[in-house]
Amino acid sequence: NAGVTQTPKFQVLKTGQSMTLQCAQDMNHEYMSWYRQDPGMGLRLIHYSVGAGITDQGEVPNGYNVSRSTTEDFPLRLLSAAPSQTSVYFCASRLVDGGSEKLFFGSGTQLSVL
Amino acid sequence: AQRVTQPEKLLSVFKGAPVELKCNYSYSGSPELFWYVQYSRQRLQLLLRHISRESIKGFTADLNKGETSFHLKKPFAQEEDSAMYYCALWEIKAAGNKLTFGGGTRVLVKP
Repeated sequence: NAGVTQTPKFQVLKTGQSMTLQCAQDMNHEYMSWYRQDPGMGLRLIHYSVGAGITDQGEVPNGYNVSRSTTEDFPLRLLSAAPSQTSVYFCASRLVDGGSEKLFFGSGTQLSVL
Repeated sequence: AQRVTQPEKLLSVFKGAPVELKCNYSYSGSPELFWYVQYSRQRLQLLLRHISRESIKGFTADLNKGETSFHLKKPFAQEEDSAMYYCALWEIKAAGNKLTFGGGTRVLVKP
């Protein structure tokens, strides 16, 4: 298993540009989520999905869109990038293990918006 | 609403000294809590979870419902313990589960 794969690892955008952060998992996990990590803020939930065709907002959803057309993929779209979206983004998927939850994280995408 | 608080942004200890990372939570349901760790240039990974009462890499954490705390402890810190640590609360909802993280504590273990 490759686990959770995020691409790209680094990206620089100009204000107003759009892009999609890709996230794929090959573990057949139903739950997937996107977080952003900012200094002094910790990890904050952007959007999450409990299965194909189902998405919901997290703590900081503004400026981001998601879709979940398949179990494997959960892309995060920035429609019009803003400097406030400069951050490190993590995708995660969930496993239920022995009655408890365990999250698997991707390696992160460092995004800079100029 | 659920909330996870890690009051210390930075903990600096000497090798061999005890280290305790504080985590307090507020949650109306029955909590399920985790500690995650991120070593330099590595991905975030699960360290331990309260439900399994395990000890990983010498770390333990006890859930105290009376004090709504889930502090992480290690009696003798090692240099390789230097990392960013996140406390997390898992909320189980009918519409889908959510994981909320604290702000994180950076641990620096000095030789």
